[in-house]
Amino acid sequence: AQRVTQPEKLLSVFKGAPVELKCNYSYSGSPELFWYVQYSRQRLQLLLRHISRESIKGFTADLNKGETSFHLKKPFAQEEDSAMYYCAGGDYKLSFGAGTTVTVRA
Amino acid sequence: ETGVTQTPRHLVMGMTNKKSLKCEQHLGHNAMYWYKQSAKKPLELMFVYNFKEQTENNSVPSRFSPECPNSSHLFLHLHTLQPEDSALYLCASSQVGGGTNEKLFFGSGTQLSVL
Repeated sequence: AQRVTQPEKLLSVFKGAPVELKCNYSYSGSPELFWYVQYSRQRLQLLLRHISRESIKGFTADLNKGETSFHLKKPFAQEEDSAMYYCAGGDYKLSFGAGTTVTVRA
Repeated sequence: ETGVTQTPRHLVMGMTNKKSLKCEQHLGHNAMYWYKQSAKKPLELMFVYNFKEQTENNSVPSRFSPECPNSSHLFLHLHTLQPEDSALYLCASSQVGGGTNEKLFFGSGTQLSVL
């Protein structure tokens, strides 16, 4: 079965420090991968997707087929980055990871 | 209102009740989805409708009955639910549906509590 795994449920970093959220996938075929984010009291929304190869709010994510990973990174975390982050992917059906709660401390 | 709207925001029901969740999208999308978000579990896809036709039923118990009268509206009819069905139910839409490379637009969800 296709699966997306986020090994970290909680991640706490200081403002200005780098942050990396891990995501691994386990399915064959060409992966379609996304990061969704949910800020406090807001709805779940798309942050970025790998096909766009874009940087959103300073975040980037690189698809590593060898390691079957799609980790989300930001070199300098800001307090407004505190949120719940979900990795999602699938080759024919989209699956979500369990999510990682990020807290950026001042 | 633009985007994806879900009502009610909160719902408390007994196990013998019948209730319905409603979702409406004003984005001109053709695909709509129901997801279940339980505490400590990943988002679970329940149903997918594409151009009003159900294209995915992810082994959901029959006590959950979806209805999609048109591409803008999606319902989830609930009857004889169990306490373990308590969760946040999210509706989403996408442009075409069926593929995994589409951006999903989510509603705010209905927080359901089954007593």
